[in-house]
Amino acid sequence: NAGVTQTPKFQVLKTGQSMTLQCAQDMNHEYMSWYRQDPGMGLRLIHYSVGAGITDQGEVPNGYNVSRSTTEDFPLRLLSAAPSQTSVYFCASSYVRENTEAFFGQGTRLTVV
Amino acid sequence: AQSVTQLGSHVSVSEGALVLLRCNYSSSVPPYLFWYVQYPNQGLQLLLKYTSAATLVKGINGFEAEFKKSETSFHLTKPSAHMSDAAEYFCAVSDGYNNNDMRFGAGTRLTVKP
Repeated sequence: NAGVTQTPKFQVLKTGQSMTLQCAQDMNHEYMSWYRQDPGMGLRLIHYSVGAGITDQGEVPNGYNVSRSTTEDFPLRLLSAAPSQTSVYFCASSYVRENTEAFFGQGTRLTVV
Repeated sequence: AQSVTQLGSHVSVSEGALVLLRCNYSSSVPPYLFWYVQYPNQGLQLLLKYTSAATLVKGINGFEAEFKKSETSFHLTKPSAHMSDAAEYFCAVSDGYNNNDMRFGAGTRLTVKP
């Protein structure tokens, strides 16, 4: 029972480099999302998707792209990494219904130098 | 738009003592309220969530929370802290049908002293 799987767990990038954070879920959830977690700020929503082919922006989308070609996968792309993107990134998934629990991956700790 | 305020970024209790983590919300409609726990180097997992069926909600690991509409609060409690409760706790609020409008508090780190 894998749940939500994120890779990699740790990553160090140089300013200007690009990379993709992977997220996969095996619960057939329609809704998937990406958050970043910064000290004292809780979790902030970057992008989300309510189904394959449908994505939308959250609170802090600048500098990130997403796509959803399958129900299972929701990768997050950093186009040109900046030190301000140093953070812990979480992928989450849930059903599309009221008052529903979100399931989280274990996170990716990203450092941009 | 809804928001959540967690009072106290750090709370320290002795093992066996009462745990009280505070959460106040603002919402223009009756909210959906959640408490999540994050153990070190792990993702968040659900502790409990409010449903309109009862104002006192019981969750996992002996935690419970009480919804008080008049105080716009959803404080988390546990009668007796255990060392394994040391973690970061997040209160979250959602108004809508999807989780895209879910807003998290800044988190409270709980330390349990032996």
